[in-house]
Amino acid sequence: AQKVTQAQTEISVVEKEDVTLDCVYETRDTTYYLFWYKQPPSGELVFLIRRNSFDEQNEISGRYSWNFQKSTSSFNFTITASQVVDSAVYFCALSEGSGGNEKLTFGTGTRLTIIP
Amino acid sequence: DSGVTQTPKHLITATGQRVTLRCSPRSGDLSVYWYQQSLDQGLQFLIQYYNGEERAKGNILERFSAQQFPDLHSELNLSSLELGDSALYFCASSEFWGRGEKLFFGSGTQLSVL
Repeated sequence: AQKVTQAQTEISVVEKEDVTLDCVYETRDTTYYLFWYKQPPSGELVFLIRRNSFDEQNEISGRYSWNFQKSTSSFNFTITASQVVDSAVYFCALSEGSGGNEKLTFGTGTRLTIIP
Repeated sequence: DSGVTQTPKHLITATGQRVTLRCSPRSGDLSVYWYQQSLDQGLQFLIQYYNGEERAKGNILERFSAQQFPDLHSELNLSSLELGDSALYFCASSEFWGRGEKLFFGSGTQLSVL
């Protein structure tokens, strides 16, 4: 089974629309971390957010917000009033394990295209 | 700019050859990670080093090897190259190791095996 599932392979929205990228994860650990990374056309992966499993508070950073729900094992990412610069591939990732068995697993990514 | 430097940016070589990819981590970071990104496999973790020691191994082929030097830079060696090794290879670094570490990625080396 996939550890991190990003079911949306590609999404296209018109500029200024809101868009939500879904991420569903699977782990047996009680302590784990979730991440979102952005990969713009330039290719470099850019860290966006880290959330630990004990902090279910939603987070907002400008036009970006994240909704973490342990009950559904989801960590969704919403961009409000999207802009062309938001066009990128977005990766959700899960970090779990301990004692030398730490693993960071990435989802397959969602390619977001913002149409001007 | 993440502070992680990878060279070269592009590499074109032939099957059967050997290449070396180089990575300089962010100043102060002790961990270095190597990832392979291809269209069919996505982002695959290859190997991690912490302060010169191998910490974790992922889906790294036996034809591939890596090391981290005393100055903390790392090299990924790919030998007996096959067409399927064509991919974008990323290096990332973090301050320490362990669950929850934020990774900072370089811009990658695009390897094309012809």
